[in-house]
Amino acid sequence: NAGVTQTPKFQVLKTGQSMTLQCAQDMNHEYMSWYRQDPGMGLRLIHYSVGAGITDQGEVPNGYNVSRSTTEDFPLRLLSAAPSQTSVYFCASRPGTSGGYEQYFGPGTRLTVT
Amino acid sequence: GDSVTQMEGPVTLSEEAFLTINCTYTATGYPSLFWYVQYPGEGLQLLLKATKADDKGSNKGFEATYRKETTSFHLEKGSVQVSDSAVYFCALRSGGSNYKLTFGKGTLLTVNP
Repeated sequence: NAGVTQTPKFQVLKTGQSMTLQCAQDMNHEYMSWYRQDPGMGLRLIHYSVGAGITDQGEVPNGYNVSRSTTEDFPLRLLSAAPSQTSVYFCASRPGTSGGYEQYFGPGTRLTVT
Repeated sequence: GDSVTQMEGPVTLSEEAFLTINCTYTATGYPSLFWYVQYPGEGLQLLLKATKADDKGSNKGFEATYRKETTSFHLEKGSVQVSDSAVYFCALRSGGSNYKLTFGKGTLLTVNP
């Protein structure tokens, strides 16, 4: 199993540009989440999904969209990038309630918005 | 709401020193508690967990005990190695949430030979 994969690893955007961060998992996990990691802030939840076709907002959803058309994929879209979105983004997945609560994290995407 | 407070870093130790990283929490209900580790350039990995009061989680020589009376989950290791250099995050999942982890801000540990 590849686990949780994320692409790209690094990205530089100009203010106002849009892009999609990709996340995929091959463990057939029901739950998937996106977090951002900022210095001195820990990880904060952006959006999450409890299954294909179901998404909801986390703590810091503004400026981001998600969709979950398949169990495997959970892309994060930045509609109009802003410097405040400079961060490291982590995707995570875990089994449903019957499979335990451990979350598995991808390696991260480091995004810089200039 | 839920919150996790862990000691500010960075923490710098010599090899074979004793490590403690303090973590306290505020949560509704009966949370599960976790320590995650992030090695340089990598994502987070679960280090250990405890799901109820007085449980002790342990892995790779690290231990943490779920203390409900003091709302704490301090991470300890008796003898650290250079390879333990990483950022350590304390986290909780409250009883009312199936999906959301609440993280502390992280503590950078550097172990020198």
